[in-house]
Amino acid sequence: RKEVEQDPGPFNVPEGATVAFNCTYSNSASQSFFWYRQDCRKEPKLLMSVYSSGNEDGRFTAQLNRASQYISLLIRDSKLSDSATYLCAVNMGGNYQLIWGAGTKLIIKP
Amino acid sequence: NAGVTQTPKFQVLKTGQSMTLQCAQDMNHNSMYWYRQDPGMGLRLIYYSASEGTTDKGEVPNGYNVSRLNKREFSLRLESAAPSQTSVYFCASSEVGGRSSYEQYFGPGTRLTVT
Repeated sequence: RKEVEQDPGPFNVPEGATVAFNCTYSNSASQSFFWYRQDCRKEPKLLMSVYSSGNEDGRFTAQLNRASQYISLLIRDSKLSDSATYLCAVNMGGNYQLIWGAGTKLIIKP
Repeated sequence: NAGVTQTPKFQVLKTGQSMTLQCAQDMNHNSMYWYRQDPGMGLRLIYYSASEGTTDKGEVPNGYNVSRLNKREFSLRLESAAPSQTSVYFCASSEVGGRSSYEQYFGPGTRLTVT
């Protein structure tokens, strides 16, 4: 089993819809969690950190479920510009490394 | 404030050639990282440097060497390139301590092809 897993997609979603995807992690000692966005042929960019209490930034909401060992990303009122690959990353404690999921591809259709 | 910069952006090598990928950050971060990204495999850590003067192997270090030249610069060297090293290489940096610990910021990447 991979340490961090994501559904590769693609998720094809109409503009204006709400979409959510999850990222599961295997190590219950994991401490820090992140969502990144990566556009085609570009570098990953930090979208948001995921805190225990959950957090929201505009149309984006991230949640952490420690009991089931996953994090989620919800995008409301999706825009064409949200089309990208969304990567999750997890720090499992003990060092500075992040373990990365392979990404979920999101395509927003007009 | 340029963030993380990498050179070159593109490179084509023949098998057996060597090259050095350069990375610099101006965010005063302590930690720096080198990743490779291949289709369907996500980001894999090659080497990292927790602080100036230290380097450690990541998940896929074979065939690579690194140098943490100073706090700003972290270079990756391929001594004898192989076709299996064809990939996109990203450098990243992060701060240590505080709420933003472990948040990594990436350079634009180097697309390397080995023929």
